[in-house]
Amino acid sequence: EPEVTQTPSHQVTQMGQEVILRCVPISNHLYFYWYRQILGQKVEFLVSFYNNEISEKSEIFDDQFSVERPDGSNFTLKIRSTKLEDSAMYFCASSGGRIDANYEQYFGPGTRLTVT
Amino acid sequence: GENVEQHPSTLSVQEGDSAVIKCTYSDSASNYFPWYKQELGKRPQLIIDIRSNVGEKKDQRIAVTLNKTAKHFSLHITETQPEDSAVYFCAASSGVWYGNKLVFGAGTILRVKS
Repeated sequence: EPEVTQTPSHQVTQMGQEVILRCVPISNHLYFYWYRQILGQKVEFLVSFYNNEISEKSEIFDDQFSVERPDGSNFTLKIRSTKLEDSAMYFCASSGGRIDANYEQYFGPGTRLTVT
Repeated sequence: GENVEQHPSTLSVQEGDSAVIKCTYSDSASNYFPWYKQELGKRPQLIIDIRSNVGEKKDQRIAVTLNKTAKHFSLHITETQPEDSAVYFCAASSGVWYGNKLVFGAGTILRVKS
């Protein structure tokens, strides 16, 4: 069964550094998402991406964040200048093999980002 | 925007008993309500979902009910087993053509005691 994959599984970085988190969504899906989960808390929406552009973003997704689909398979989240409070598990998700089936979202295994 | 409340925050049951987790949502435009199970350090896994045109859906030992008028939905797990122990999250969204942002509840830690 196809799965969403993410790399790396764990990233440690120093405050102020740039990080890029990578995701490979399920191959025929059309909708892509990033969520984050601070340890012990609920999953929070960051951004959705459809038709090669951001379709919706949350208040968390400020100018320090960007997303890109550089090729036909990868979907990346970049944090330009990391802060301590960016430490969290970041999940990529994808859905929608057809435009009318954009509901069920399948999550990747996550990247644990630790900012020191 | 949408707000999802989830109760209880923790739930302990004996193996074989039933477990019920309840969620309420605020946005009447929400039309899709999935439930995710998350084991420690793992990804959230979709276990069941329901759309607003349906009142109840069942899949083996799990079922979800939806009351649109009251804006609440519930997860029912029957004949609980130790492997059901996990954190369960409800979510709500108003799926539109450009995407389907999920708004999650705070989660319920379910412990099944054998």
